[in-house]
Parts: sequence; structure tokens; C-alpha cells
Amino acid sequence: QQQVKQSPQSLIVQKGGISIINCAYENTAFDYFPWYQQFPGKGPALLIAIRPDVSEKKEGRFTISFNKSAKQFSLHIMDSQPGDSATYFCAASMGESSASKIIFGSGTRLSIRP
Amino acid sequence: NAGVTQTPKFQVLKTGQSMTLQCAQDMNHNSMYWYRQDPGMGLRLIYYSASEGTTDKGEVPNGYNVSRLNKREFSLRLESAAPSQTSVYFCASIGPNTGELFFGEGSRLTVL
Repeated sequence: QQQVKQSPQSLIVQKGGISIINCAYENTAFDYFPWYQQFPGKGPALLIAIRPDVSEKKEGRFTISFNKSAKQFSLHIMDSQPGDSATYFCAASMGESSASKIIFGSGTRLSIRP
Repeated sequence: NAGVTQTPKFQVLKTGQSMTLQCAQDMNHNSMYWYRQDPGMGLRLIYYSASEGTTDKGEVPNGYNVSRLNKREFSLRLESAAPSQTSVYFCASIGPNTGELFFGEGSRLTVL
């Protein structure tokens, strides 16, 4: 019940296309859903996050879509660029005040072909 | 502003050797964390320190010990390294109001 399942494991998208990464969770107590972006040789960095009281959050080319009833959320990258090539982690937590309650997905390696 | 700094960046150990990974943050954060990252496994929490003077086990604490030396520094020690501890280790701290995790650049450890 604590797992966050992420798919796909890897994804190749043409430049200009839409990249979509999906996550699903079981624990309805989760109330904070961040996405982290990690470039090779670097630590992950927060990209965008959402709370379950909204169905969508957009920041530039990055959008989180959230379906509370299905217990699923996804990251959409519009007009994907080679610079977006990275590993993406979804996560879920019960409260945003402590990382001890954050559960990470297994990660998606995204490659954008020029 | 360096953020979270980890040392060393790379280390090769033989089975049974010990070593300590160092971590320091300059953001005045109370809470600090150690994760390990393995292919297809995401980020798994090893230990955390909610505040200076306290430490608690995370998801995968076996084979590790930690010390919260002061508010800035949080070290991870492997007393007797095993090949299963070959991984990339990340230290992180959390912003007090946003819940944002700030990660170091990682320490790649290989145990032969």
C-alpha cells in the first residue's frame, strides 16, 4: 500500500513531441505529489508538485495531471527538447513537512531524439 | 551558496572495509536524509535526522550507521562493506515550508 508504481521505465520521444510518464499509488492518505528531475551525474531536483485538491498544474511546458478517483497522476512534457533528456521520479507523501514520509517511484529514463 | 555538499564523489572498497560518507548543507535546514539509488529501484531512504541530535531508520537501514554531528553535517558510515552496498548515495535536506528536497550530487560507491 506504500508503493508508488511508475511507468514506463524508459521512453524515447522525438524533439517537439509530448512525453508522458505515469504513476499510480494505493495509499489514499498521500496528499502531496512531487516530480523530480535528475540529469546524469547530478542529484535529483524538484521539477513540479501538486496537491490532490486540483486536477492539473502547469508550469511552462510541464504539466501534472491528477486523477484522485483512479489514484493516478502523470507528467506531461509538451514540445519536448533534447535538454529534457533526464531521469524523472514521481513521488508521494503524507504531508510535505518531512521527507521521511516520501515514497519515490522507480524512475523513468527519458531520451529526446533531435 | 553551495547547497548540499557530499564527499567523496567516488570510492572503491573491498568487502569488509569501512568508510564514512560526509554531507554538509549550508541552508540552515533542520532535517537531513541519506538515500541510495539503484537501477530500477528509485530512491530508498536509509536514515534520516529530523533535527540536530536525532536520527531514525528509513526503509533500508541495515549495514549502515549515521551521525548528526551538528545542524550542518550528517554522515553515513558503512562498518563492514558488502557488494550489495554498491550504489549511488545521495544526501538531502528539506526546506521547512515547501517540502522541497535539496540533494547533493551523489557519492558513487563500488564494493568489490
